[in-house]
Amino acid sequence: DAKTTQPTSMDCAEGRAANLPCNHSTISGNEYVYWYRQIHSQGPQYIIHGLKNNETNEMASLIITEDRKSSTLILPHATLRDTAVYYCIVRGYTGANSKLTFGKGITLSVRP
Amino acid sequence: DAGVTQSPTHLIKTRGQQVTLRCSPKSGHDTVSWYQQALGQGPQFIFQYYEEEERQRGNFPDRFSGHQFPNYSSELNVNALLLGDSALYLCASSSDAGVNYNEQFFGPGTRLTVL
Repeated sequence: DAKTTQPTSMDCAEGRAANLPCNHSTISGNEYVYWYRQIHSQGPQYIIHGLKNNETNEMASLIITEDRKSSTLILPHATLRDTAVYYCIVRGYTGANSKLTFGKGITLSVRP
Repeated sequence: DAGVTQSPTHLIKTRGQQVTLRCSPKSGHDTVSWYQQALGQGPQFIFQYYEEEERQRGNFPDRFSGHQFPNYSSELNVNALLLGDSALYLCASSSDAGVNYNEQFFGPGTRLTVL
């Protein structure tokens, strides 16, 4: 079973920031938070991951609370192409623990 | 650099038949994982292959089997197909070393329909 809970859906206006929440209250000390997204009929795409510090890359920012029980993925300037299902995943980092356990994800709809 | 490739793109089979799906990993990757995604659901982990051995397996029956070849490519075999096996089958490749350590890169998937 997935170790994360996410809202079913949300929307935002094009050009605005999209803040996608995720709860992972049972996360272990050696588990990372990963985010993937899946655009319709394509394979999931890696976005970002983090352990306890906030992370930023060219796609998004990941904010993890100090107690690590929740996190927020931020798309700073959402575009129509960001419309997708976003999955928040908790996962160990070693090879033997590298499977991804997906939940249903959150459907983000970016409106013009 | 080609990413993860899968074949075929679409496949239609009837109940009881057997099917083989193929995956070529991203260049430089040595680990292949397979996932099943039913309509409206997130992908579910089937198994993972590393060094031609099954390293980890999800909650799938023995009808689902796999193989990894010396060039790291992989096959997923499903025997005695059921209607419930209709799904998008995703292959993901990763590496146990390097900059993108353990990041999984997904292919476009094979859409299997069982009639």
